[in-house]
Amino acid sequence: DVKVTQSSRYLVKRTGEKVFLECVQDMDHENMFWYRQDPGLGLRLIYFSYDVKMKEKGDIPEGYSVSREKKERFSLILESASTNQTSMYLCASSLPRSVTFQETQYFGPGTRLLVL
Amino acid sequence: ILNVEQSPQSLHVQEGDSTNFTCSFPSSNFYALHWYRWETAKSPEALFVMTLNGDEKKKGRISATLNTKEGYSYLYIKGSQPEDSATYLCAFQNAGNMLTFGGGTRLMVKP
Repeated sequence: DVKVTQSSRYLVKRTGEKVFLECVQDMDHENMFWYRQDPGLGLRLIYFSYDVKMKEKGDIPEGYSVSREKKERFSLILESASTNQTSMYLCASSLPRSVTFQETQYFGPGTRLLVL
Repeated sequence: ILNVEQSPQSLHVQEGDSTNFTCSFPSSNFYALHWYRWETAKSPEALFVMTLNGDEKKKGRISATLNTKEGYSYLYIKGSQPEDSATYLCAFQNAGNMLTFGGGTRLMVKP
């Protein structure tokens, strides 16, 4: 079974703090993704990565950065947290489409972040 | 940004009722349509991946159909049980490889 883990289930941070959300997958997947989920809006893609040290902006990258130094780990960084970044953050991983043809993604349990 | 819509946003049914909900997506540049189930405090889990117009998939009491020409997919649950309570997400995959998710349908099944 694919396992995707996220470092925290709940986090409370103050405005202006630097926040690190960590994601680790154990299935040697090339692709990794960060989403945020807000009520009624579905999952929105923040950043994704197809390989180590490679990153691409998703639909809503503003205020975020990412790091992928190792294949199994993809970190989301909030350089200076703001209240509008209060949300549920989900990490996912998948095999490349050249292997599977469909982009089935495997998700972590999510981190619920509250920025005060 | 692609428009993927799910309806209804939420749904309350009694145990034993059958139910269905809809995902609508762009009919152009279609590659695949994914359904996920997301139970509270758990990770979203893949239910189905559908690629061909007219596709039907089934897993136990849950089934899904796909119409790529008109851009919609239905998810059906027969004889709903409390353990079916979850948010059901659909995601449109285009040739560019990315998934675009709908807002989800939150299903609550009362015993």
